[in-house]
Amino acid sequence: EAGVTQSPTHLIKTRGQQATLRCSPISGHTSVYWYQQALGLGLQFLLWYDEGEERNRGNFPPRFSGRQFPNYSSELNVNALELEDSALYLCASSWGQGYGEQYFGPGTRLTVT
Amino acid sequence: GENVEQHPSTLSVQEGDSAVIKCTYSDSASNYFPWYKQELGKGPQLIIDIRSNVGEKKDQRIAVTLNKTAKHFSLHITETQPEDSAVYFCAASIVGGSQGNLIFGKGTKLSVKP
Repeated sequence: EAGVTQSPTHLIKTRGQQATLRCSPISGHTSVYWYQQALGLGLQFLLWYDEGEERNRGNFPPRFSGRQFPNYSSELNVNALELEDSALYLCASSWGQGYGEQYFGPGTRLTVT
Repeated sequence: GENVEQHPSTLSVQEGDSAVIKCTYSDSASNYFPWYKQELGKGPQLIIDIRSNVGEKKDQRIAVTLNKTAKHFSLHITETQPEDSAVYFCAASIVGGSQGNLIFGKGTKLSVKP
């Protein structure tokens, strides 16, 4: 069974630009979660999508947004990039609301210069 | 909201020894407590989890215990091996609730010396 996949592996952007990160969940999973792992700050929750709808978002500004497609894949968009957005962005998937287990992908390393 | 504290931040043991990592949580409504292992350059890997209706769970060399009254849970690794070296994260969540997300501890860097 294929795991969670993310693309690209690395992304380098300039301050003020926009970044788009993509995630494909495990087959059969309907929920996708996005987390930010910045140096020294641990894993912080960004967004949760289930069945195409945004269910919850963490304490991040509106320039962090995303969507979930009919095939349950998801993309995360970060507008007006700032230097402090440099981090590893992790996507996780689960069977859906009511299921606790979340399985993570390898992440996208975003560097903002 | 939920807050998860994890200790210690670093742990060094000799191969063959046991390692224990402890976490406390603040929200008594939390009912699901997973542990993740993250190796360098990889995403977190779910290694074991426990739900609030269970006090202990084992899987080969790893075990997790939960004390709901004290709101703390622990990861126990016995007969440690060099390949156990990684950063371990505990987390808590409310399964079935409206939030869905995991709240993570800050992580413990485990080093197993051969």
